[in-house]
Amino acid sequence: QVQLQQSGPGLVKPSQTLSVTCAISGDSVSSNSVAWNWIRQSPSRGLEWLGRTYYRSKWYNDYAVSVKSRITIKPDTSKNQFSLQLNSVTPEDTAVYYCARGLVATGFGDWGQGTLVTVSS
Amino acid sequence: QSALTQPASVSGSPGQSITISCTGTSSDVGGYNFVSWYQQHPGKVPKLMIYDVSNRPSGVSNRFSGSKSGNTASLTISGLQAEDEADYYCSSYTSSTPVVFGGGTKLTVL
Repeated sequence: QVQLQQSGPGLVKPSQTLSVTCAISGDSVSSNSVAWNWIRQSPSRGLEWLGRTYYRSKWYNDYAVSVKSRITIKPDTSKNQFSLQLNSVTPEDTAVYYCARGLVATGFGDWGQGTLVTVSS
Repeated sequence: QSALTQPASVSGSPGQSITISCTGTSSDVGGYNFVSWYQQHPGKVPKLMIYDVSNRPSGVSNRFSGSKSGNTASLTISGLQAEDEADYYCSSYTSSTPVVFGGGTKLTVL
């Protein structure tokens, strides 16, 4: 059974960098059959897919256009986890951030517990 | 990328069937058979209920079914139960960004 455990600060100041990590158990971040995604949810924006990382003989990343200039998703094979970094945050980035395992084709079947990140001074 | 369009709310009585629609375009829902549905209870994590338009993951009740016609996908819940009361979200592969979600539908069991 796959479990995803998220960690990261709940409060970030405007213009700073939001960072959340997702530790994986029951699967490998280097699996060549899934992707590792970040999704956020806020009352104003609903569910919003942010990006993914996946391994298919080499590492790939895809990012949503809305955050492409500010986002980095990185795998950490030594710790079997992956991370989200979102730069230059504003209050609009306040949301619950989820990590999720899965492919677009087969859906996101496993989710982290969610991390509420508030952007405020 | 605009979100997929879902009704804000639907309701039904126990035992009835309800259908939630999810309308997109030929660049997402209509162009690919990669529509998923998620159930989310208040304060909980979304749960995958349907993938690839009509497939149920292991453990999901067969009261939940999915279909698609043109640019509109649908989730049908039959034999409505009190525990089905939740928010439901659709998602689809898109030709621009890999995934787009619907705005969500609140299901009330009367």
